[in-house]
Formats: sequence, C-alpha cells, structure tokens
Amino acid sequence: DAKTTQPPSMDCAEGRAANLPCNHSTISGNEYVYWYRQIHSQGPQYIIHGLKNNETNEMASLIITEDRKSSTLILPHATLRDTAVYYCISRISGYSTLTFGKGTMLLVSP
Amino acid sequence: NAGVTQTPKFQVLKTGQSMTLQCAQDMNHEYMSWYRQDPGMGLRLIHYSVGAGITDQGEVPNGYNVSRSTTEDFPLRLLSAAPSQTSVYFCASTGLAGGPDTQYFGPGTRLTVL
Repeated sequence: DAKTTQPPSMDCAEGRAANLPCNHSTISGNEYVYWYRQIHSQGPQYIIHGLKNNETNEMASLIITEDRKSSTLILPHATLRDTAVYYCISRISGYSTLTFGKGTMLLVSP
Repeated sequence: NAGVTQTPKFQVLKTGQSMTLQCAQDMNHEYMSWYRQDPGMGLRLIHYSVGAGITDQGEVPNGYNVSRSTTEDFPLRLLSAAPSQTSVYFCASTGLAGGPDTQYFGPGTRLTVL
C-alpha cells in the first residue's frame, strides 16, 4: 500500500465546508483512495473511496487530482458530530488489509 | 442486521492470564480482521481471515492466536496477557456483496492488563 500524508489537525466552523487534504504521491495505478473516520472511542466508519474519478455520496465528496498524487475529502456542511479523526488510506481493492496512519483530527466548532 | 458485535466491551486482566475476545458478524462476510489501537495511534492489524478455516498474520501478531471455524465468528485469544497488550481492540469484516470491500468495524473491546 502506498504511504499517505495528512495534516495532524484541522479546524472548521459549523456549517462551513471542511476540506481535508491527503498526499499519496507514490500511489500505483491499481490502488484506490479510501477515507474512514473514527469518532472518539468508536470503531472506524467508512466514508467514501475512489480510483481516479471524483466521487460523491450522502456523507462526502472525494476529489482526486488528475495525476492521482493527492486528494481532498469534502464535508460540505460540517456539523459538530463530524468532529473525528479522518484517515486517508490507499490500497488495492479486494481483501487486502487497511493500513492506518495517524490521520487528521478535525475539530468542528460552533 | 446487528453488523459486527464484540464482547466484552471492557476487560481487566492480570499479567499472565489468558482470555478470548469475541467477534461476530451477521452479514455473511468472508473477510474478518482484528486491529489494536494504542492511545494516540492509528490501528494496527493483528490477524485476519479470508474465509472459514483460513487465517494469516498481520503487522503485530505476537501474543495472539485466532481461528475461524465459521463464517460468522472470529475470536482473538490472548495466550498470556502482558501490560503491553493494554489497548483497544477492534474487529472488522468485509464482503464483496456490500460493495467494493467496505470494512465494517465493531464497537471495540477496551482491555487493561495490570
């Protein structure tokens, strides 16, 4: 799995968009970008994943650069409940395991 | 569906004791795995299984055993507990039927070894 780099922490005002960056400059052509989050004391929760096209679901949007070396997770209207550690993981789809780094601690404030 | 369930939620052991952490899923997922999370750290893979009767080691397997006799259950055994095994343990499962290998995590077991 390619190594990913994320800022250790970010702040966001409630109701504003939260844009969480991830660098994966060594990603290979068959590796997807996955995002999970972990709210305090809970198990990680899947958010979204993509290969090279931008993706959107009910939770978030994922923007992947054309060269696939970086991506941005967008929470369009952050709420206090979005305060969590967000993990960006790149890996081959299938039964391969998840390699978690330290992620980005997102703090959403009123 | 209950999803992924783990028992117990909390456990305190003395050094040298053994115990089994239980994990079960009702989604008919082939793939199951165990992670541990130490304070301020990301999750690290202990063991995983791609189906009944098949297990393999992850990043930090020492001191732990697993077995997979059924699709639903994937217990994690601590053979002789040590203080270094104080951690939060998460079980996860995934199956292709739910979409490209989205992993579902249980609520965790918080283990303290004295």
